[in-house]
Amino acid sequence: AQSVAQPEDQVNVAEGNPLTVKCTYSVSGNPYLFWYVQYPNRGLQFLLKYITGDNLVKGSYGFEAEFNKSQTSFHLKKPSALVSDSALYFCAVRDLGGSQGNLIFGKGTKLSVKP
Amino acid sequence: DAGVTQSPTHLIKTRGQQVTLRCSPKSGHDTVSWYQQALGQGPQFIFQYYEEEERQRGNFPDRFSGHQFPNYSSELNVNALLLGDSALYLCASSSPGGLTGTDTQYFGPGTRLTVL
Repeated sequence: AQSVAQPEDQVNVAEGNPLTVKCTYSVSGNPYLFWYVQYPNRGLQFLLKYITGDNLVKGSYGFEAEFNKSQTSFHLKKPSALVSDSALYFCAVRDLGGSQGNLIFGKGTKLSVKP
Repeated sequence: DAGVTQSPTHLIKTRGQQVTLRCSPKSGHDTVSWYQQALGQGPQFIFQYYEEEERQRGNFPDRFSGHQFPNYSSELNVNALLLGDSALYLCASSSPGGLTGTDTQYFGPGTRLTVL
């Protein structure tokens, strides 16, 4: 069965410093991986996805993610954090069983960026 | 171009009641998925609709049912509400058909359901 894990409940970063939010996955076959961000009392906003090709994926708001097949990881990164990046971040993998419809989400990582 | 919209924003019900949540997909999208997000958890897949039929279903009881209309909008119905049904219900749309698994799902703002 497909699954993702976000090992950190919370990540604290100072503004201007680089940030990393970790995600590992377990799938049978090639993974389709996604990152979403959720602000308080809001829905999920799509940041980026990895389907195939270049292991470094660039997304919205200056975020990027690195796909590492040997380590089964898909960590989200940003070179310089902003206070406005503070939010809840979710990693997700496409369920490749059945009709490939749904996403399987991690439990989320709360990112806190301090001035 | 409007994104995914959901109504209502908030809803308070009592145990045993029934509720209907509504979703309009992003323009050009034909597939609608519903997720339940309990407090402090990641979203969990309820079901997905395509061509007015339920194409895939997650591990939710039959109390959860849905419908998709010809204009691709969708409804989520929950019968015999339980306290544990309190959650944020998210609708996501995608296209084309979501059959390849590579499509991106775009989420609405959600409906916050509180069951007392």
